[in-house]
Amino acid sequence: GENVEQHPSTLSVQEGDSAVIKCTYSDSASNYFPWYKQELGKRPQLIIDIRSNVGEKKDQRIAVTLNKTAKHFSLHITETQPEDSAVYFCAGSRNRLAFGKGNQVVVIP
Amino acid sequence: GAVVSQHPSWVICKSGTSVKIECRSLDFQATTMFWYRQFPKQSLMLMATSNEGSKATYEQGVEKDKFLINHASLTLSTLTVTSAHPEDSSFYICSARDQREDSGELFFGEGSRLTVL
Repeated sequence: GENVEQHPSTLSVQEGDSAVIKCTYSDSASNYFPWYKQELGKRPQLIIDIRSNVGEKKDQRIAVTLNKTAKHFSLHITETQPEDSAVYFCAGSRNRLAFGKGNQVVVIP
Repeated sequence: GAVVSQHPSWVICKSGTSVKIECRSLDFQATTMFWYRQFPKQSLMLMATSNEGSKATYEQGVEKDKFLINHASLTLSTLTVTSAHPEDSSFYICSARDQREDSGELFFGEGSRLTVL
């Protein structure tokens, strides 16, 4: 099955700086790569996703890039704000989602 | 986006009792729903895939007799934790896809926090 790994496990950034989280996957047949944000005690919410036929996708301050050859995709958050502090999960999917262990992002005001 | 609702949002029970958690898709039909368990500061671990009208598919290491799943309608799946013990205390979350959409996005319920005394 799919094996998904995230790095780094914890990332602290100054408010206004950029944050980048990387996710590697094992199944070359995976074709859908979402990033979910989970605040403490709340449900995960999709923030951005990308399909295997696209290399990059951007939505305001959030972007995702995909490198199919290297089997990794990254989440980029620019101009970070305190409300960006959360745990971010990546997932790889062919038929069902396998989640990574999560990245704790802390934005320091 | 689509809405998935879970009930109850939290429950406390005595060891040995059974607890049922409901997962409903409110504005769409879901032939498949997913049940996850999340321990503190850990990831979402898929427990089983709930299939409407047929048996659930359990992940390796998940006891099907311990975690009973019923998906009797296109909008409701239930997870019953039978003979719960303190080690079953966790955050249980369900999710589903709106198959009318091509995105493949998973919509999550609010989660149910189970505490077994």
